[in-house]
Order: sequence, then C-alpha cells, then structure tokens
Amino acid sequence: DTGVSQNPRHKITKRGQNVTFRCDPISEHNRLYWYRQTLGQGPEFLTYFQNEAQLEKSRLLSDRFSAERPKGSFSTLEIQRTEQGDSAMYLCASSFSDTEAFFGQGTRLTVV
Amino acid sequence: KNEVEQSPQNLTAQEGEFITINCSYSVGISALHWLQQHPGGGIVSLFMLSSGKKKHGRLIATINIQEKHSSLHITASHPRDSAVYICAVLLVGQNFVFGPGTRLSVLP
Repeated sequence: DTGVSQNPRHKITKRGQNVTFRCDPISEHNRLYWYRQTLGQGPEFLTYFQNEAQLEKSRLLSDRFSAERPKGSFSTLEIQRTEQGDSAMYLCASSFSDTEAFFGQGTRLTVV
Repeated sequence: KNEVEQSPQNLTAQEGEFITINCSYSVGISALHWLQQHPGGGIVSLFMLSSGKKKHGRLIATINIQEKHSSLHITASHPRDSAVYICAVLLVGQNFVFGPGTRLSVLP
C-alpha cells in the first residue's frame, strides 16, 4: 500500500467548467476526509465519510460541491460551474476510526 | 476565538537551535496531530498524540490534555526542517480542525 493517492495532482480549468477529483485512501481505512487549503492558510474542512456514509459537510461547501464514496473505498469530489475562488489545494486524508490520519499529496486546482 | 491556535506564526532559527512550536485548543478532542508541509508539497503526519509525549529522531511532541496544550520541539534544527508545521485536533467523533500553521525557516 503506497498511502493515500490523489488524482490528478494538478488541474487547470476555465471558469464555469466542472471538475472532478479522486482520492484513493489506504486500504481498510474507514474514514476519508476532504479539505481545502488556499495559499498561506491552514486546511479547511469540507466533508468526511465513515465508510460510504457522508457524516458531515461544511457550510463552506456550496451546492456546487458534491462528494461521494460509493463503495466505501475511493472518493470523488466534484465542483460544478467552477469559480476563480475555487482555486486551491484540495487535500484528502484517511484513517481507521480515531487512529492516525494519513494525507494525500493533494490536487492543486487553478481556475482561469 | 479560533478553536485551534498556534504560536509563533513565523519562526526563523539558526541551524542547530532548539525550536518549540506551541498549539492550544479550546474544544474536547480525541487526539492531536502534528503535521509538516513543505512549500508546494503534501502534508506529512509527524505525530498523533492523545496523552504524554512521543519522540521520533530529533522531533519531540508533548500534550497536556488538562491544559489543552501541545508542543512540538525540534532539537539540533537543520535547514531541511524548514516547512510549515500544523497542529490538527481530532474532535470527538467528528473531523479534524486545523491550526493556522507555523512557518519555520532554519538558516544555515
């Protein structure tokens, strides 16, 4: 197992386009978290899953954002009608319940 | 008041110095993580603590649950330690809340 994997690593998109990111957690990890980090700031919570259930969703997440974890393994984060303010690093982390969390390398989104 | 605060915000040290970064939080937690992030890079977990003290190489992390405070110490600092160090608390039964980070620069 090579750890938490995120794809793509970088994404440049035009304003108004839809984008989808993928996160593959460490095998057997039941929790999966999505965070957003803008330049010079700490990560901000977006949403998290326990298995396939989405347990919490931040108020930061507008209706344009949706996340899924259909089989309790990998997860996707989709942003519809992207805006320039969506430009950020999108981070995924996974853990087994309350044990140590491991982070992916992130997907850097640039909306032009 | 933020749920997780860190100090200092920025820190510049000379190679070899002993460094301390502090984290305080105001909520009930089940664990606390210290994370390291290099510029443009991903986040690496350094420690997860729920009590006491942990040591890994030149890094030491302590936590005082009663005082809601944790410290990260780096002994014999080196330029490759230059990074942002982030304190993240795992809320009981919930998600992580991150501190704002401490930007460390170690000069040769």
